[in-house]
Amino acid sequence: QVQLQESGPGLVKPSETLSLTCTVSGGSINNNYWSWIRQPPGKGLEWIAYIYYGGSSNYNPSLKSRVTISVDTSKNQISLKLNSVTAADTAVYYCARDPVNLDAFDIWGQGTMVTVSS
Amino acid sequence: QSALTQPPSASGSPGQSVTISCTGTSSDIGGYNYVSWYQQYPGKAPKLLIYEVNKRPSGVPDRFSGSKSGNTASLTISGLQAEDEADYYCGSYAVHNKEFGGGTKLTVL
Repeated sequence: QVQLQESGPGLVKPSETLSLTCTVSGGSINNNYWSWIRQPPGKGLEWIAYIYYGGSSNYNPSLKSRVTISVDTSKNQISLKLNSVTAADTAVYYCARDPVNLDAFDIWGQGTMVTVSS
Repeated sequence: QSALTQPPSASGSPGQSVTISCTGTSSDIGGYNYVSWYQQYPGKAPKLLIYEVNKRPSGVPDRFSGSKSGNTASLTISGLQAEDEADYYCGSYAVHNKEFGGGTKLTVL
């Protein structure tokens, strides 16, 4: 079955760029939307962005100016870049599958904790 | 501040039913039948419980049910069990956007 695995640095310095990768295994990236979602410690979920396998994307308006999402179908990977990070960006970052006909996140990665600190 | 409003906590005794509400606007919950619910245990990723207001993915017990009236969606858990103690989040589609509620911590007494 489809599994998602997030990877990337666990510590990022303030004002730098956070870069994460989600690798999809056991299935294809095709015909699905893929999202990044984050959860600050002790807080709720926040949707960051989604991308369709064909490349079209949308962003949370509150983060749009700092976020880039991309997809590499040859590697079955979805990437996230968040620039000019601050302590407020400290969170567990999840990638999740959003099937075209579902409009819900049916498969999630285990999440990766990213701390912004000098 | 989350786009959707949930009560921060809820509780019930084993065997009872509990309902968690999720209030949005006509631009999200009220405008589309794309409401979803997620269960999250501490330190774990969320799990999809309900999609399209009232549909259950394979493997989710029928004790979990969803509904919607106007701008408010609800998750009802019947026959409450100790293992249902977790955080619950609602989600909704909005135009070119996805939204979550702030989460409800369910305690099984």
